[in-house]
Amino acid sequence: EAQVTQNPRYLITVTGKKLTVTCSQNMNHEYMSWYRQDPGLGLRQIYYSMNVEVTDKGDVPEGYKVSRKEKRNFPLILESPSPNQTSLYFCASSFGGAVEQFFGPGTRLTVL
Amino acid sequence: AQSVTQLDSQVPVFEEAPVELRCNYSSSVSVYLFWYVQYPNQGLQLLLKYLSGSTLVESINGFEAEFNKSQTSFHLRKPSVHISDTAEYFCAVTPDNYGQNFVFGPGTRLSVLP
Repeated sequence: EAQVTQNPRYLITVTGKKLTVTCSQNMNHEYMSWYRQDPGLGLRQIYYSMNVEVTDKGDVPEGYKVSRKEKRNFPLILESPSPNQTSLYFCASSFGGAVEQFFGPGTRLTVL
Repeated sequence: AQSVTQLDSQVPVFEEAPVELRCNYSSSVSVYLFWYVQYPNQGLQLLLKYLSGSTLVESINGFEAEFNKSQTSFHLRKPSVHISDTAEYFCAVTPDNYGQNFVFGPGTRLSVLP
């Protein structure tokens, strides 16, 4: 089944404790993105990647890191999480820029 | 840079009534336009998209949207809604240069009442 998977789905952590949210797709997509969703703000793009080893900042990259060492994986790293990073995070992938993005199920992160 | 405005944060409507969800965008370059739907506790799914050609685009479940370049709008319509259409709807734009800088609107929560 074609899908985007994220792990974990739910995470509660404390300020400053490094964490990684994994994202994997099995559709051989070149493009992958990370978004955060907050009430009243919609989805805001954090980082995106156009291919292996090619990443670029979205609209809200501060406090996040990404890497794209393999085509299928695009982990999101929070080196020192803070409470303002409490949010719902979505990973997405697609074949190209102007085509349908396939979204993962989301990761709900709470930083205390 | 692009921006997207969805003027209505919530739209309640009775079943079988028509609905219009409004989307306006701002961009200095040509864009592609999308509507995504998010059902409760799920990720986003593409509803329809405008890339080029006919300015009226349709989805398989009865929604349609019309691209109006002069008014920089991409409003979503359905002539008769069902309870199952209850969801949050997001308008999104991306520059037509095949980048990946997607910009989403804040969303409109559609509630279909029996």
